[in-house]
Amino acid sequence: RKEVEQDPGPFNVPEGATVAFNCTYSNSASQSFFWYRQDCRKEPKLLMSVYSSGNEDGRFTAQLNRASQYISLLIRDSKLSDSATYLCAVNSYNAGNMLTFGGGTRLMVKP
Amino acid sequence: NAGVTQTPKFRILKIGQSMTLQCTQDMNHNYMYWYRQDPGMGLKLIYYSVGAGITDKGEVPNGYNVSRSTTEDFPLRLELAAPSQTSVYFCASTYNPTAYYEQYFGPGTRLTVT
Repeated sequence: RKEVEQDPGPFNVPEGATVAFNCTYSNSASQSFFWYRQDCRKEPKLLMSVYSSGNEDGRFTAQLNRASQYISLLIRDSKLSDSATYLCAVNSYNAGNMLTFGGGTRLMVKP
Repeated sequence: NAGVTQTPKFRILKIGQSMTLQCTQDMNHNYMYWYRQDPGMGLKLIYYSVGAGITDKGEVPNGYNVSRSTTEDFPLRLELAAPSQTSVYFCASTYNPTAYYEQYFGPGTRLTVT
């Protein structure tokens, strides 16, 4: 089983739709969680961190479910500009405190 | 601040050639990382460094070497390039990975080995 898994998609949604992605992680000792956005042929950029209590940033809501070991990202009122690949990342505070990334979920928002 | 910069942006290598990918950050971050990303895939960690003079292997270190003589620079060396090393290489840095600090990425180097 991969350490961090995501549905690769693509998720094709119309503008204005609500879409949700999940990301599962296998290491129960994982401590911090993130969603990164990656545009085509660009570097990943932090979209939002995912806190235990859940957090919201405008149209984006991130949730953490430690019992079931997954994080989620909800995008409301999708815009064409939301089209990108969304990578989840998990830090297990192992040696080097490195992030482990999922394979990414591709979102395509259509007019 | 320029953030994380990488050179070159693109490179084509012949099998067996060697090259160094450059990475520099101006944010005084101690932690630096090298990832590779194959088409349609996530990021895999090649090497990382927790400070000048300290480096360690990540998930996929074979065929690569690194050095960290200064806080700013973290070059990645490819020896005897193979087609399996065709990928996009990203360098990243962060202030404190044990907390919710952002990992900043460079723009990437697209490498083709033929």
